[in-house]
Amino acid sequence: GENVEQHPSTLSVQEGDSAVIKCTYSDSASNYFPWYKQELGKRPQLIIDIRSNVGEKKDQRIAVTLNKTAKHFSLHITETQPEDSAVYFCAAKGSNYQLIWGAGTKLIIKP
Amino acid sequence: NAGVTQTPKFQVLKTGQSMTLQCAQDMNHNSMYWYRQDPGMGLRLIYYSASEGTTDKGEVPNGYNVSRLNKREFSLRLESAAPSQTSVYFCASSDALVVGGELFFGEGSRLTVL
Repeated sequence: GENVEQHPSTLSVQEGDSAVIKCTYSDSASNYFPWYKQELGKRPQLIIDIRSNVGEKKDQRIAVTLNKTAKHFSLHITETQPEDSAVYFCAAKGSNYQLIWGAGTKLIIKP
Repeated sequence: NAGVTQTPKFQVLKTGQSMTLQCAQDMNHNSMYWYRQDPGMGLRLIYYSASEGTTDKGEVPNGYNVSRLNKREFSLRLESAAPSQTSVYFCASSDALVVGGELFFGEGSRLTVL
């Protein structure tokens, strides 16, 4: 069946450094790829998304890139700050119009 | 504007008991969803309702039933709770008419089945 693989499961970076989280999807018909951030004990919230007709999208310190040929997309966070510590989920909207979720990446920002 | 509201926030059940999780949204969204979240497994779709009057199974529907009561409300029922249903449950809504469609989540309901 359709699936989304997300790596790494845990990522620890020094404050101020960059963090990259990668996802691979299986359904070639997927056309929408959101990223959600979930702080400890809170609800997931959308931080950025990208559609299949775009290769890259930026919003301040956050960027997402999409490679449709390779069927993978990545989240890039630059100049990481303590408030970036959270679990990040990628997802892909499949041919049944529902989101298929990655398993999540726990991002730890070391002071 | 409360967004998505779900109740209760916490519940402890004994095996075999039943309960209903309630969800309501005030954003006039067409689509509503129920997810469960378990450690290391991300979000798994239980049931969804693309529009008022319709419901469909998601990835893990066994042991659950849903009701789309009206456009605002979407409830999840556990008829005979099992320890495997211990999880955090999230209700979400989206405007399905928008391509993509951001999901707006409730605060979550933590359910423990003993």
